[in-house]
Amino acid sequence: NAGVTQTPKFRVLKTGQSMTLLCAQDMNHEYMYWYRQDPGMGLRLIHYSVGEGTTAKGEVPDGYNVSRLKKQNFLLGLESAAPSQTSVYFCASSYQLATYNEQFFGPGTRLTVL
Amino acid sequence: GESVGLHLPTLSVQEGDNSIINCAYSNSASDYFIWYKQESGKGPQFIIDIRSNMDKRQGQRVTVLLNKTVKHLSLQIAATQPGDSAVYFCAENIGGSYIPTFGRGTSLIVHP
Repeated sequence: NAGVTQTPKFRVLKTGQSMTLLCAQDMNHEYMYWYRQDPGMGLRLIHYSVGEGTTAKGEVPDGYNVSRLKKQNFLLGLESAAPSQTSVYFCASSYQLATYNEQFFGPGTRLTVL
Repeated sequence: GESVGLHLPTLSVQEGDNSIINCAYSNSASDYFIWYKQESGKGPQFIIDIRSNMDKRQGQRVTVLLNKTVKHLSLQIAATQPGDSAVYFCAENIGGSYIPTFGRGTSLIVHP
């Protein structure tokens, strides 16, 4: 199993450009999450999904949109990138009973917005 | 205590020593806790978990202790190795919620 994969690994954008980050998991997990991690900070939840076709806002959702059209994929979109969105983005997934199960994380996408 | 700004709390140890990483959690209703390890340039990886009906749980070279009275969690690593160098996060979950709350993390540096 590949686990959780993310593409791309690195990206540089100019202010105002758009892009989509792709997360894929092959563990048949119901729950998927997008986090951002800034230097010296913990993980902050952007959006999450509890199943195919459902999404919900997390702690820092502004400036991002998500879609979960297929159970195995969770897409994070930036419609108009801003320098404040420079960060490392992590996708995670977990079993349905997520309260008592750990999250499995992808390797991250390092995004720089100039 | 924790540093401010961009600097994580840091623990430096010698190879072979035992390490203790601490975490204060915020919500007395939290009933599930996880420790993650994050190596440089990688995503967090599960180490060990504990439910609130326990006060100690052991894994391979790691032990997690839970003190609900003072809302404190610790991760003990026995015979620390250079490969243990990483940032360690604790996460807390409240029963019925699937959104964990992560701490800022502690940087562990192991000197050969």
